Amino acid sequence: KAGVTQTPRYLIKTRGQQVTLSCSPISGHRSVSWYQQTPGQGLQFLFEYFSETQRNKGNFPGRFSGRQFSNSRSEMNVSTLELGDSALYLCASGPGQGRGFFETQYFGPGTRLLVL
Amino acid sequence: QQPVQSPQAVILREGEDAVINCSSSKALYSVHWYRQKHGEAPIFLMILLKGGEQKGHDKISASFNEKKQQSSLYLTASQLSYSGTYFCGTEVSGGYQKVTFGTGTKLQVIP
Repeated sequence: KAGVTQTPRYLIKTRGQQVTLSCSPISGHRSVSWYQQTPGQGLQFLFEYFSETQRNKGNFPGRFSGRQFSNSRSEMNVSTLELGDSALYLCASGPGQGRGFFETQYFGPGTRLLVL
Repeated sequence: QQPVQSPQAVILREGEDAVINCSSSKALYSVHWYRQKHGEAPIFLMILLKGGEQKGHDKISASFNEKKQQSSLYLTASQLSYSGTYFCGTEVSGGYQKVTFGTGTKLQVIP
């Protein structure tokens, strides 16, 4: 099975711009979670989608949004970029049937975003 | 609330053992462990559910003490390939599908 893919892998933007990141889960997986990883804060949960519905959300401002399509692919959007948004953005997919994080989650390689 | 991992960093010689701890201030439903090598995505190691179970594969095992809201990851007879940053992720009881990760423990195994 192909793994989780994320595009683009690297991105450079300037403050105030917006960005859209894409995640294609493993075939058959219906749950996609997004995380922000920075050296100072570690891995922080952004949100999780299952069957096109946001099931849970972390503590990020409304500038961070996402959606999931009927084929389970997911996009994450960040509007009005700030310098502090520079990070590695990881998505993880899972079957989504188990309670919470009960099941194995498979991470993609991430998109490294640099905001100048 | 972010779980607290200790130690923050550890250097081992090949063949030595290590223990990484993960503590939460909240009642936990599950704990999961991941390893991330530099420039790579985190790789799943194992999930432990409340009930105080212990799991392991190869020379890596973990325990989960739900009363103490703690989990420990045990690496025995470490190999060079064990090097990386280890993260614990916790799911609190009642917190559906919301995982909070610790800040990580950087492990380096040297020859």
